[in-house]
Amino acid sequence: LAKTTQPISMDSYEGQEVNITCSHNNIATNDYITWYQQFPSQGPRFIIQGYKTKVTNEVASLFIPADRKSSTLSLPRVSLSDTAVYYCLLSGGDQGGKLIFGQGTELSVKP
Amino acid sequence: ETGVTQTPRHLVMGMTNKKSLKCEQHLGHNAMYWYKQSAKKPLELMFVYSLEERVENNSVPSRFSPECPNSSHLFLHLHTLQPEDSALYLCASSRRGPQETQYFGPGTRLLVL
Repeated sequence: LAKTTQPISMDSYEGQEVNITCSHNNIATNDYITWYQQFPSQGPRFIIQGYKTKVTNEVASLFIPADRKSSTLSLPRVSLSDTAVYYCLLSGGDQGGKLIFGQGTELSVKP
Repeated sequence: ETGVTQTPRHLVMGMTNKKSLKCEQHLGHNAMYWYKQSAKKPLELMFVYSLEERVENNSVPSRFSPECPNSSHLFLHLHTLQPEDSALYLCASSRRGPQETQYFGPGTRLLVL
């Protein structure tokens, strides 16, 4: 199963745009890139999913270059409530329903 | 609310007790999962059920016994647990397919004394 690599932690301030980059060099042709958010003692929450180019929803944007070996989650104008762990995963395709969670990126938003 | 509920939310048990965790999904999904998350560690996949059939068992000790009576309900039966089994146990469900997305419940915080 292909792995993903992302920074362990990031700091930001309220109102800033935050970009979290994830690398997945061994992504398979039929893998999708999915991001989850997790608050302490809660289950992960789906944020966004994409296959290529750019995807945007009411919460975030996901940028995927043509080679699909990396992806960037963009959170516009973060607030204190965006402090959480963000996971980048490969889903569908060769993963067969398995989600391999890494350490994730612990985002800390300060006032 | 994600459409996946778990009970109880908190559980304290002794090593000789038998207890069960319950998960219910109201999303019409056809796959359900159990994960374990220990403190400061990534989620670990324990079991996968697809169409009520167990398709994955990630070398989980036999003191954890899953049961999936139908596509909406999933149980995790616990017996003779160890203190190191204390963790957050998360249930998830999904509709199998290329753009499969798993929806997680709030979890059960388990403490084994």
